[in-house]
Amino acid sequence: EVQLVESGGGLVKPGGSLRLSCAASGFTFSSYSMNWVRQAPGKGLEWVSSISSSSSYIYYADSVKGRFTISRDNAKNSLYLQMNSLRAEDTAVYYCARATTGLLGTTYFDYWGQGTLVTVSS
Amino acid sequence: SYVLTQPPSVSVAPGKTARITCGGNNIGSKSVHWYQQKPGQAPVLVIYYDSDRPSGIPERFSGSNSGNTATLTISRVEAGDEADYYCQVWDSSSDHQVFGGGTKLTVL
Repeated sequence: EVQLVESGGGLVKPGGSLRLSCAASGFTFSSYSMNWVRQAPGKGLEWVSSISSSSSYIYYADSVKGRFTISRDNAKNSLYLQMNSLRAEDTAVYYCARATTGLLGTTYFDYWGQGTLVTVSS
Repeated sequence: SYVLTQPPSVSVAPGKTARITCGGNNIGSKSVHWYQQKPGQAPVLVIYYDSDRPSGIPERFSGSNSGNTATLTISRVEAGDEADYYCQVWDSSSDHQVFGGGTKLTVL
């Protein structure tokens, strides 16, 4: 059974940092691209970042580029998101999602974790 | 950047058919994926590649995509289908994933 379990969320002051983790199990982690998707309270889904299976390709949403860093450790079956210079608008539930990529690069998210809440407030 | 437009809400009576649209410039040339999210839960994939259903998703869920509109159709709607639904595409020009704003389906 595929499982994705996020951790590391919490309350942080504006300008602060936080590191999220996602522990994966039940599939060959090193074969899949992984993503972070967030959802602000009462709002829709927003893609944050993606990383290819071997970390060769990394992409970020414009809203977090330069502040967030995605990484993975295939030996530990783990995905990470280092979040720096946090702002109030980064407050959201952050989901880890497995991506399946088909022909021509199109990608969908077939498994999601339960999410971890990040609150940025003074 | 590529924009996906969904109606904020759709209402339907039990047993009827709900249609949720997702608009985008020439979206018919892209592959569209759909997610269902119930309150307090993570999203669940219900349709991928425009019209394919993952295992475990009822046949009542179907999808289509042409021109500037993709559509998620839910036949014989049940109370348990009440949820938020999101469309998603990959924008090849930016290598970004894009979600629509979401549609709240209310079963009357």
